[in-house]
Amino acid sequence: DAGITQSPRYKITETGRQVTLMCHQTWSHSYMFWYRQDLGHGLRLIYYSAAADITDKGEVPDGYVVSRSKTENFPLTLESATRSQTSVYFCASSEGRRTDTQYFGPGTRLTVL
Amino acid sequence: ELKVEQNPLFLSMQEGKNYTIYCNYSTTSDRLYWYRQDPGKSLESLFVLLSNGAVKQEGRLMASLDTKARLSTLHITAAVHDLSATYFCAVVEGSSNTGKLIFGQGTTLQVKP
Repeated sequence: DAGITQSPRYKITETGRQVTLMCHQTWSHSYMFWYRQDLGHGLRLIYYSAAADITDKGEVPDGYVVSRSKTENFPLTLESATRSQTSVYFCASSEGRRTDTQYFGPGTRLTVL
Repeated sequence: ELKVEQNPLFLSMQEGKNYTIYCNYSTTSDRLYWYRQDPGKSLESLFVLLSNGAVKQEGRLMASLDTKARLSTLHITAAVHDLSATYFCAVVEGSSNTGKLIFGQGTTLQVKP
C-alpha cells in the first residue's frame, strides 16, 4: 500500500543500547522529518532531510543520528539509548513545496529501561 | 526563537455547544497548520492557512489566521462526540521552505453526550 510506514511500532530496549527506527514512504516526497512526542511538549523536530544525502538538525537532535541514502527511507538511530529518549516517534514526509502539508506515519512507541 | 502556545490545553464540552481553541505564536510566519490526533493514533492534517485573513471550514470546524496578531483560531460549532481528539496547531518559522514545523502543546477536546 502507498503511504508512510514506520517499524517497529513498539520497541523496548535498555539504556546504552543502539536502536534504529525505520521510516519508509512510497510517495517519492523530497522532504522527510523525525519528531518525538512527549506529554506537555507537543511534537518536537529531531532531524529533517530535504533530499537524499541532505539532512539537518531540528530542535532536539542530541543523541540521535540520521541518514538518507535513498529518497524513500529515513532511518533514525539512537546511538546509546537513554531513559529520557522514551517517547513516541513520528516520521513525516512532504513534497517540499512551500505550501505542502506534512503527512505523518503511524508512530513508534519506544521505551528505554 | 519561535514559540507556539495553545489554549486551553484541555476542554470538556457538551454536545451541541460552540467553542474556540486559540493558537498564538511568537514570531513572523506565513503558514499555519492544524492537525488532529486521536488517542494512540497518528496526526491527520485538517487545515493549511497561508495568508492573513485566511479562513478554512470543514464540517463543524472552522480555522482562521490573523498574521498581524500572530493568532489562529479553531472554532467548533455544535460539537459532537466524534470531534473528541487532541488538536495541534503548528507554525513554520518565517518563510522557510524547509517546512520545519514548531508545534503547540495540543488541546485535548472531550465532547460529552
